[in-house]
Amino acid sequence: GAVVSQHPSRVICKSGTSVKIECRSLDFQATTMFWYRQFPKKSLMLMATSNEGSKATYEQGVEKDKFLINHASLTLSTLTVTSAHPEDSSFYICSARRKSATRKNLAGELFFGEGSRLTVL
Amino acid sequence: AQKVTQAQTEISVVEKEDVTLDCVYETRDTTYYLFWYKQPPSGELVFLIRRNSFDEQNEISGRYSWNFQKSTSSFNFTITASQVVDSAVYFCALSATDQTGANNLFFGTGTRLTVIP
Repeated sequence: GAVVSQHPSRVICKSGTSVKIECRSLDFQATTMFWYRQFPKKSLMLMATSNEGSKATYEQGVEKDKFLINHASLTLSTLTVTSAHPEDSSFYICSARRKSATRKNLAGELFFGEGSRLTVL
Repeated sequence: AQKVTQAQTEISVVEKEDVTLDCVYETRDTTYYLFWYKQPPSGELVFLIRRNSFDEQNEISGRYSWNFQKSTSSFNFTITASQVVDSAVYFCALSATDQTGANNLFFGTGTRLTVIP
């Protein structure tokens, strides 16, 4: 099956620093990638939708200046948590939708990365 | 509204018992997809199944089976002869259009399954 890789899987940083998380589709092209945030024992909350070559679409309540998303190529999207604070500590998961030109809904399976656990001290 | 409800927050069963995880959804779309994902303690999401809204055939894959009932807007997941390795959080999700018209994935809150040896 299709593989999505996230890096790093775990990161610990000091308050005030910035952290970048990468999401790569290893064996397919992904026109759309999604970034989710998961709090302990909670569901996944969509943060933003990232389309290759264009600006990300952020969900309501997500600070776009805080969570910078870049989708520079069909296989790579990055999430940068800027000036991280302890409340940003969370599990961040990306997913990628395989490029498909056939259907309006583009509702093929989403392939998820392994997740990145961010701890801000 | 586009919404997925997993009413069971936590379930514990003894190994070899069968267990059904409930999922009820709401959508205004006529075409949509439903998913089940497994999230083991390691955290990654493992895709289990996708079902489109036009296909109400139930599916069986090994010990897993899914019952899709459009009349009740439910997409339940049954594990037969449960094993300890089945212990995980299971998410039901709906792929449908959001307010902007974009196609998004809406997750339920998950059901934590613990299989006791």
